[in-house]
Amino acid sequence: DGGITQSPKYLFRKEGQNVTLSCEQNLNHDAMYWYRQDPGQGLRLIYYSQIVNDFQKGDIAEGYSVSREKKESFPLTVTSAQKNPTAFYLCASSHRGQGGSQPQHFGDGTRLSIL
Amino acid sequence: RKEVEQDPGPFNVPEGATVAFNCTYSNSASQSFFWYRQDCRKEPKLLMSVYSSGNEDGRFTAQLNRASQYISLLIRDSKLSDSATYLCAVNRGGNNRKLIWGLGTSLAVNP
Repeated sequence: DGGITQSPKYLFRKEGQNVTLSCEQNLNHDAMYWYRQDPGQGLRLIYYSQIVNDFQKGDIAEGYSVSREKKESFPLTVTSAQKNPTAFYLCASSHRGQGGSQPQHFGDGTRLSIL
Repeated sequence: RKEVEQDPGPFNVPEGATVAFNCTYSNSASQSFFWYRQDCRKEPKLLMSVYSSGNEDGRFTAQLNRASQYISLLIRDSKLSDSATYLCAVNRGGNNRKLIWGLGTSLAVNP
């Protein structure tokens, strides 16, 4: 079945530690996105990538880093510089399309908490 | 004014009722519009894209009103399984591929 796989489902971070969230898709989508969702707040864009080896900062990129070495994969690293990392992290992907936005499809998310 | 706004609800309706939600957006150049549903502690799932002429998928109808800058979602014959939060998403204008998300409208369908 085609889809987006995020792992792990739950992750705990210690003080000063970097952690990496995995996102893999087999939908042959060019574009991939990372969002964070906090209670009472909408989805906020962290980073996005329209093509392999290229990515751009979203609205809240500070304290995060990404890479896009393969079309299928877009891992997110939450660094120790991110002081409030507790959130629900969602990875999404879409076709690039000719203009405007294409529908985005989501993985089932990773819940990150601080120990 | 927020870029995308939704009434948070909750909307409490009996089974079989018809319910409608609106989502207003501020950028008149926005071109792409979507409705998603999100169950508690789960990922958003695409419900439907919203087209200029309006579109229907079973019990769900989506409309776009460009003059007043809002989209709507109508659910007919509500089922218990329709209980969820409904999110709207709008692109940032023109060919911008980034989406702006509403905070969602909570729907509870009661027996």
